[in-house]
Amino acid sequence: GAGVSQTPSNKVTEKGKYVELRCDPISGHTALYWYRQSLGQGPEFLIYFQGTGAADDSGLPNDRFFAVRPEGSVSTLKIQRTERGDSAVYLCASSLGTGKTDTQYFGPGTRLTVL
Amino acid sequence: AQKITQTQPGMFVQEKEAVTLDCTYDTSDQSYGLFWYKQPSSGEMIFLIYQGSYDEQNATEGRYSLNFQKARKSANLVISASQLGDSAMYFCAMRGPNTGGFKTIFGAGTRLFVKA
Repeated sequence: GAGVSQTPSNKVTEKGKYVELRCDPISGHTALYWYRQSLGQGPEFLIYFQGTGAADDSGLPNDRFFAVRPEGSVSTLKIQRTERGDSAVYLCASSLGTGKTDTQYFGPGTRLTVL
Repeated sequence: AQKITQTQPGMFVQEKEAVTLDCTYDTSDQSYGLFWYKQPSSGEMIFLIYQGSYDEQNATEGRYSLNFQKARKSANLVISASQLGDSAMYFCAMRGPNTGGFKTIFGAGTRLFVKA
């Protein structure tokens, strides 16, 4: 498809488990972003990749959260020892990576529920 | 600190009328970008319009226009001729050097209800 895709669309897990969320960006987009959106709030920045490297990971809440983008395309957000407070929609976006006018295109999100 | 404020949690508008969604921002940057996104109930964020801080003219995209008042630090979204499909959450967002360049911060959003 032409847009950003995210899998799974829904993930239910138990407290303490490990989860991986996948993002497949638009082909040719060098920049990739992860956001977390809690109910009734705007998206909250987590991490930004330019190519394979994490250019800004200042939004990751703690060391249970980690993201990779090994080949500069698909990215995986990994959450260890999940907590109930991690429940949210995780949004991925990609962009051309050309500058501040760069438009981000978002995927449909993964709804994570931690029981 | 960089901040986006959207003071209208919910707005109602009659179909075919215009509506203004408010957004104010706080930044010490001179160069920054302002964005509006629409989020329907499906959850996907849809880019609507962009305004650069040095752009002298207000941005327009079809039925969307951005009322940019730099001195007041406001970037209100105007939707003309509202349609039922415009019912959604609307987010104002900002990016600039002090947000880290590519990092974007979002407001809390305004839910728009279009009445038939």
